[in-house]
Formats: sequence, structure tokens, C-alpha cells
Amino acid sequence: DTGVSQDPRHKITKRGQNVTFRCDPISEHNRLYWYRQTLGQGPEFLTYFQNEAQLEKSRLLSDRFSAERPKGSFSTLEIQRTEQGDSAMYLCASSRDSHTHDEQFFGPGTRLTVL
Amino acid sequence: AQKITQTQPGMFVQEKEAVTLDCTYDTSDPSYGLFWYKQPSSGEMIFLIYQGSYDQQNATEGRYSLNFQKARKSANLVISASQLGDSAMYFCAMSHYTGANSKLTFGKGITLSVRP
Repeated sequence: DTGVSQDPRHKITKRGQNVTFRCDPISEHNRLYWYRQTLGQGPEFLTYFQNEAQLEKSRLLSDRFSAERPKGSFSTLEIQRTEQGDSAMYLCASSRDSHTHDEQFFGPGTRLTVL
Repeated sequence: AQKITQTQPGMFVQEKEAVTLDCTYDTSDPSYGLFWYKQPSSGEMIFLIYQGSYDQQNATEGRYSLNFQKARKSANLVISASQLGDSAMYFCAMSHYTGANSKLTFGKGITLSVRP
């Protein structure tokens, strides 16, 4: 299967610990997005990469969050000093570099639980 | 700012019948895209259908069609011949073209339950 993959699928951590998530996009996709989804809500945009460049960050992305996409392939999202409010599903999506609509393909998500 | 509104409570439909899921949007951009995604209990977001703001005809993809009414700023999803596997959360989303970032703005979603 050549879809978007995310690892791990589930992560339970204690408050104050650091966690890192990985996303592997579809290989020919230049664009990569991170979203966060809390219970009963739609996904909310966190950050966006065009190849290896991080071009936009949401105000939701506090200083404790950092994302990278070295070499424009896979991406990592790190949360430092986790808080209970960080508990959510973290979704990664990728798309082609298109000048029209930008259908995004989503991965299965990483569900984070902060105790 | 862009906004997507999905206000329907949980929806129920009998198997093999059609159902309409409502979506209204707000944007000041002349160029935008409207999407519907399905999220089953497994959590993965599955793309269903797309409508561009300049498209003259309503989009269709198999059993899915999008009833696009630009003046009313609505983009309702119609599912024909519902199947048990259609039971899921459905999200309406919008993107706008900046030439760089086409991030999606999602609504809160609608739960659809298909009854046998």
C-alpha cells in the first residue's frame, strides 16, 4: 500500500514527557500537512510543508510543538512537556503541488493520550 | 476568515434510501474548493468528493453528489442508495488557493447511521 502512513498509531504518555510522531507521505507528494482533531470536532490545521520548507504554522502550534521535514520526505511532529490538553488525534495529510484543488490524502492518525 | 458550518444532529437513514448532509460555508475569497470527507470509527479521513468554486456543474462521484448552491453558500452532500458501510462521521471542508498553501478548514462533522 502506498498511502500515507503514521507511526505510532497510539501513544500514551505522562504529563511533562516529550513525544514524537512520524508521518510518511505518498512518495510523489510535495505538500505535507499536520492537523489535530479533538473529540467531537473536525480536524484543525497545525502546519504545512512544501518539500522541506515549513511555510505556515497555526497559532495552535505553541512553542512546545515543533515539526520538521528533512529532505522533503517524511515529517516528524514533536511535542515537548506534554499537557493533558494535548490529548487528541494527530493527522497527517499529503498532496501534490497543484495549482487547482488540492485533494489531501490522510494517514490513519496518531492518537495521543496524556495522563 | 473561512468558516464551515455543519449543524445537523446525528442523522439516520434506512438502508437503500438517499440522505442529504448539510454544509454551509463563509469566505471572502473568490476562488475556493469544497470537499467532503468520511471518517469511520477507525479514524482515517477518506476523501469523497470535490467541488471547485468556478465549476458550473455539480460534482458527482458514484453514489455521492454535491449540491452546490453558490449564492446560498451551501455545499450539501447527497448519498444515494445508502449502505450499512456508510455509517460514519462526515466532514465538509474548504480550501482556498494561495498558490502555496491549500490548508483545509473543516466543519464539526455530522454522524450518519444507516439502519438495516
